[in-house]
Amino acid sequence: GEEVAQTPKHLVRGEGQKAKLYCAPIKGHSYVFWYQQVLKNEFKFLISFQNENVFDETGMPKERFSAKCLPNSPCSLEIQATKLEDSAVYFCASNEGRRTANEQFFGPGTRLTVL
Amino acid sequence: GIQVEQSPPDLILQEGANSTLRCNFSDSVNNLQWFHQNPWGQLINLFYIPSGTKQNGRLSATTVATERYSLLYISSSQTTDSGVYFCAVEMTTDSWGKLQFGAGTQVVVTP
Repeated sequence: GEEVAQTPKHLVRGEGQKAKLYCAPIKGHSYVFWYQQVLKNEFKFLISFQNENVFDETGMPKERFSAKCLPNSPCSLEIQATKLEDSAVYFCASNEGRRTANEQFFGPGTRLTVL
Repeated sequence: GIQVEQSPPDLILQEGANSTLRCNFSDSVNNLQWFHQNPWGQLINLFYIPSGTKQNGRLSATTVATERYSLLYISSSQTTDSGVYFCAVEMTTDSWGKLQFGAGTQVVVTP
């Protein structure tokens, strides 16, 4: 597609429940990025993929977060056993992967609320 | 220390006024982007500007990479310009594509 798509728009989970978020990058883009926005203004990089391979996962909390980008499927970000502090907006972004054109395009985000 | 610093943190403008937002960064960059996050939370791409000057309507931006800063100009502001403006930077010392965001400038344009 022409835009980065994210589903769902909103997700509400009780503490300890699992949450799964999805992202479809722009067609032809080979890199996918996940960011977490907490406290309205603070963005944190989580993980990046080059096609289906993890490129940089230095921002991922080790224990409860996992992510995948499989061929012919939307990318996913999964949080096992959610905690209150996971409440945030999760943005997915993609880019073409060319060094001379590495502008990132962001999806509309998924707002996760953990009660 | 802070690697991407934006100023001012807050800005209140009367409709029609002009303003300048600043982004300082601590290292050389592969990418610099300006975003507008509207009151509904959407991140709107304004400029992809690792260097040079660009203009888009009432907005323009300049990045002086050698001096490690970028400026976003808003002219003849309108109430629809309200929201938070973010500068995001990909440092050459970071992994490719990883953006670091500043804390944003909250802009309120009053009628």
